[in-house]
Amino acid sequence: AQTVTQSQPEMSVQEAETVTLSCTYDTSESNYYLFWYKQPPSRQMILVIRQEAYKQQNATENRFSVNFQKAAKSFSLKISDSQLGDTAMYFCAFMEYGNKLVFGAGTILRVKS
Amino acid sequence: EPEVTQTPSHQVTQMGQEVILRCVPISNHLYFYWYRQILGQKVEFLVSFYNNEISEKSEIFDDQFSVERPDGSNFTLKIRSTKLEDSAMYFCASSEGGAGTDTQYFGPGTRLTVL
Repeated sequence: AQTVTQSQPEMSVQEAETVTLSCTYDTSESNYYLFWYKQPPSRQMILVIRQEAYKQQNATENRFSVNFQKAAKSFSLKISDSQLGDTAMYFCAFMEYGNKLVFGAGTILRVKS
Repeated sequence: EPEVTQTPSHQVTQMGQEVILRCVPISNHLYFYWYRQILGQKVEFLVSFYNNEISEKSEIFDDQFSVERPDGSNFTLKIRSTKLEDSAMYFCASSEGGAGTDTQYFGPGTRLTVL
């Protein structure tokens, strides 16, 4: 079974600084998809960014970018120019055939002013 | 921008009662999902649904749970006889396509409290 591990339960960052959230996963598949979802205090699940495993280029979405290391099965999220509104729980998620998302335990990110 | 909606936002029920959680997926999406998140824990897959039948279900999704698409817009999750441990946030999600090619978009969730 696929597993997703987020080793950082909590992180803090100063406003305008850069922070990186870690995620590793385990799979025997070669084709799959990886996602970062953000869950603010409202508990809504908001898609931040996605990465297809067959693409070598790292995905970027404005201030959010990933470092995808397929061989190492690592998928970290970098948030640049952190803003107070980035304060949330961040979940890394894995998806292969069958469309079931497998989530990590989450990392609480606090952006401080 | 189209979005997934869920009602109610909060449901309180007595143990043993039946509850129905409702979702309206994005209109051109074909695949529908339910996930749950017990407070402080990770988000867990419950069930996926396509073409009016269940595609996959988890071990959590036992005989107490059922899903239905009663009309062209709604997608419901029914819990027949609620237990205390069913207290959780329930998220509906939908995606346009399947076979792992499409992103799942989540609704705002329904917080279920079983007393």
